[in-house]
Amino acid sequence: GAVVSQHPSWVICKSGTSVKIECRSLDFQATTMFWYRQFPKQSLMLMATSNEGSKATYEQGVEKDKFLINHASLTLSTLTVTSAHPEDSSFYICSASMGPGDTQYFGPGTRLTVL
Amino acid sequence: RKEVEQDPGPFNVPEGATVAFNCTYSNSASQSFFWYRQDCRKEPKLLMSVYSSGNEDGRFTAQLNRASQYISLLIRDSKLSDSATYLCVVLDSNYQLIWGAGTKLIIKP
Repeated sequence: GAVVSQHPSWVICKSGTSVKIECRSLDFQATTMFWYRQFPKQSLMLMATSNEGSKATYEQGVEKDKFLINHASLTLSTLTVTSAHPEDSSFYICSASMGPGDTQYFGPGTRLTVL
Repeated sequence: RKEVEQDPGPFNVPEGATVAFNCTYSNSASQSFFWYRQDCRKEPKLLMSVYSSGNEDGRFTAQLNRASQYISLLIRDSKLSDSATYLCVVLDSNYQLIWGAGTKLIIKP
């Protein structure tokens, strides 16, 4: 149980394009979803927390207009990297939990490379 | 100072050896503590939670010292498959996971 999927697994795109990443909880309802970013040899950094049906809460330094998060249902959250640039190349990982403080279940991650 | 600090390694250890990692955290109000394992280019996976009394799961033993604000992970009889990056993670009072940068472990035959 508690499986989280993430698509796509990897994406390579040109600078200036927008990329959408999907995160789905397959067998449970995720009241809260988290989006993380991990640069090589660095720790996971929380980008934003989203609760179903409400606006995401972004961490300091994360541009909400660049990283659009939608959590329209209890099983799906999307992260859209708008006008991607090479410095946005990273490993993006989502996690889902049934509520604040509950165990977070992680998706397999999406590796984004912006040329 | 980082909220969660770990020695990045890498630790090169022969198969069968015992190895230990430490991790320190800065926020004394932290609620829960975990060790995650992350293989190259994969998502982190929960290895074990860390309890105040210390806990063991097979070859893995975790310890928590709240007074000194550090957490440890001991791996006995290490296997080649234990090669990975081990991440120390702390749940803060806002229910956010704060991640260490990880300690890379390489088990050699």
